[in-house]
Amino acid sequence: AQRVTQPEKLLSVFKGAPVELKCNYSYSGSPELFWYVQYSRQRLQLLLRHISRESIKGFTADLNKGETSFHLKKPFAQEEDSAMYYCALTPSGGSYIPTFGRGTSLIVHP
Amino acid sequence: DTGVSQDPRHKITKRGQNVTFRCDPISEHNRLYWYRQTLGQGPEFLTYFQNEAQLEKSRLLSDRFSAERPKGSFSTLEIQRTEQGDSAMYLCAILRGPANTGELFFGEGSRLTVL
Repeated sequence: AQRVTQPEKLLSVFKGAPVELKCNYSYSGSPELFWYVQYSRQRLQLLLRHISRESIKGFTADLNKGETSFHLKKPFAQEEDSAMYYCALTPSGGSYIPTFGRGTSLIVHP
Repeated sequence: DTGVSQDPRHKITKRGQNVTFRCDPISEHNRLYWYRQTLGQGPEFLTYFQNEAQLEKSRLLSDRFSAERPKGSFSTLEIQRTEQGDSAMYLCAILRGPANTGELFFGEGSRLTVL
């Protein structure tokens, strides 16, 4: 069975500071990794996925298979980045059911 | 356009009552998922449908829970004899893209409060 661990419940930074939200996973195969975001009073939505290799809103994430991590990074945080961030894993076989981490609340202070 | 509508947005009920939530995808999508989210936790998988067939259920889905997707479009999630532990946000999502790399597109959720 797969597992996604987000060790930080809360991450508090000042505007302009670098941000790194940690995500570690446990899965024996080759998974697909995602970051989802939930802004205040909005639905949970996709931020980025590993397979796309793209930067969204200045965020990037690198899959490190050796460390089984998929940390989300942004060099300069903005106040509008304040939100809940969830890391998710879809297994490479079986029913392909995504598993989510518990989430990290990012607060960016002015 | 892809969208998921959930109804009701908020339901307050007394313990022991039955509740039903509805999920309406705007357009046709093969896979539809139900997740539950409690305070401080990420979404937890409950069940999913491939068209009208319910293919997998989590052990979280006790026999008080039942889900249907009769015509492969909208879906309902019913909870019978609600308990206070059922209080949570119930999220519906459709899959956009392939099963292994696709995105879950979520509705805004139905919040259940059991008194």
